[in-house]
Amino acid sequence: KAGVTQTPRYLIKTRGQQVTLSCSPISGHRSVSWYQQTPGQGLQFLFEYFSETQRNKGNFPGRFSGRQFSNSRSEMNVSTLELGDSALYLCASSSEGLAGGRRDTQYFGPGTRLTVL
Amino acid sequence: GENVEQHPSTLSVQEGDSAVIKCTYSDSASNYFPWYKQELGKGPQLIIDIRSNVGEKKDQRIAVTLNKTAKHFSLHITETQPEDSAVYFCAASFSSGSARQLTFGSGTQLTVLP
Repeated sequence: KAGVTQTPRYLIKTRGQQVTLSCSPISGHRSVSWYQQTPGQGLQFLFEYFSETQRNKGNFPGRFSGRQFSNSRSEMNVSTLELGDSALYLCASSSEGLAGGRRDTQYFGPGTRLTVL
Repeated sequence: GENVEQHPSTLSVQEGDSAVIKCTYSDSASNYFPWYKQELGKGPQLIIDIRSNVGEKKDQRIAVTLNKTAKHFSLHITETQPEDSAVYFCAASFSSGSARQLTFGSGTQLTVLP
C-alpha cells in the first residue's frame, strides 16, 4: 500500500505571496492532519480534516487554511507569506476505524519544505 | 492544552548499548502515546505506540513504558545500531470521538557511535 504523498517536495516563495500544498493520504484513510515543523517551535498541529470538514484546529493565524476533497486528498493554503512561515509542512493520515486500521494512528508523509525569501 | 516535555535533547551511545528517552505530559486525559523516528530529509515514521490501558509494550529491540500516575512515558532501545541514529519524537494525544491532535515533544537527537 502506498504511503502518504505530498507535493511539491520543495517550494521557494517570496514574502506576500500565497502557496498551496497538496497531500494524498494512504488509500482508504479518511482523516488528514497537517503539522508545521521548524527548528525553533518543533512540530506543531495546524488542523485536521475528516469527510471534507475541519474538525480540529491548532493555534495558527487565519492565513493558514485547508480543505479536503471527497477522495480524502487535502490541500493547505498559506496566504500573505511571512519569513517565519519557512518550515517543513507535514501531512499525516489515519484510518478512522476502517477494517484492519487503528483509528487514531497517524502516518506521516515526507513533507513539503517551504522557504520564504 | 497538552504540554509534552522530552529529555534529553541529545544522546550519544556506543553501538550495542541501550538508549532511553523520557517524556512527561501534562493532560491526564491523554490516552495515546506514539513515538516517531525522523531521519534527515524524511517525515516522522511511527516506531511504536502505547495506549493508557497498557503499562508496557515491546517490539523487538524497542520498548515503551507508561506511568499514568506520574504522567511520564519512556522509549527504550536495546542493542543499538548505527542505523538507529535519528531524531526521536514522543507525542501525546487525547483520542475521543472527533478529536485528533498530537502534541509533540521537542525531540532527541540520538547518535549511535560505531
